[in-house]
Amino acid sequence: SQTIHQWPATLVQPVGSPLSLECTVEGTSNPNLYWYRQAAGRGLQLLFYSVGIGQISSEVPQNLSASRPQDRQFILSSKKLLLSDSGFYLCAWRKTSVSYEQYFGPGTRLTVT
Amino acid sequence: AQRVTQPEKLLSVFKGAPVELKCNYSYSGSPELFWYVQYSRQRLQLLLRHISRESIKGFTADLNKGETSFHLKKPFAQEEDSAMYYCALGVDSWGKLQFGAGTQVVVTP
Repeated sequence: SQTIHQWPATLVQPVGSPLSLECTVEGTSNPNLYWYRQAAGRGLQLLFYSVGIGQISSEVPQNLSASRPQDRQFILSSKKLLLSDSGFYLCAWRKTSVSYEQYFGPGTRLTVT
Repeated sequence: AQRVTQPEKLLSVFKGAPVELKCNYSYSGSPELFWYVQYSRQRLQLLLRHISRESIKGFTADLNKGETSFHLKKPFAQEEDSAMYYCALGVDSWGKLQFGAGTQVVVTP
């Protein structure tokens, strides 16, 4: 069966420090991958999505970037964190050519101090 | 533009009472709609998809294209239904989902 992992689960970083959040999927190949930020009262905001290795599309201009170095690995990064980057980050995957259904990881709680 | 509206931020109901979570959408094509649920300290998970016309955990949701709605209903709420519920709309060929702001449901005994 397919599983999706995210780490770390929680992270506290100072303003101006770099960021790297990792997401990996097991049990499937060539998934579509997505990064979301979840904020109270604002739902889920799609940040990036990827349909293949090295293929990244950005939905919202911001301080963050994403990369997909391997088929089942998706990384969210920043060179210099801002206070406004604090939030709950979710990774999700979708089987290509099948419905819109997405399956979510456990998330990373990021606090920028 | 695609849009998903969940007008209620919080719904508080008594155990055994009916519960209805509203979802309205704006989309020019043929919509594919979902309800996702997030229980406390658990990951976001799919609850219902409109194409399946299924009942999960006693919940049902009917797509009304005339009213552009996809409301989630349960006739008798249980305490374990307390969670955050999100309505989502499939919006393009890349499989992107547009989520509503979410409705927090609290079921009290």
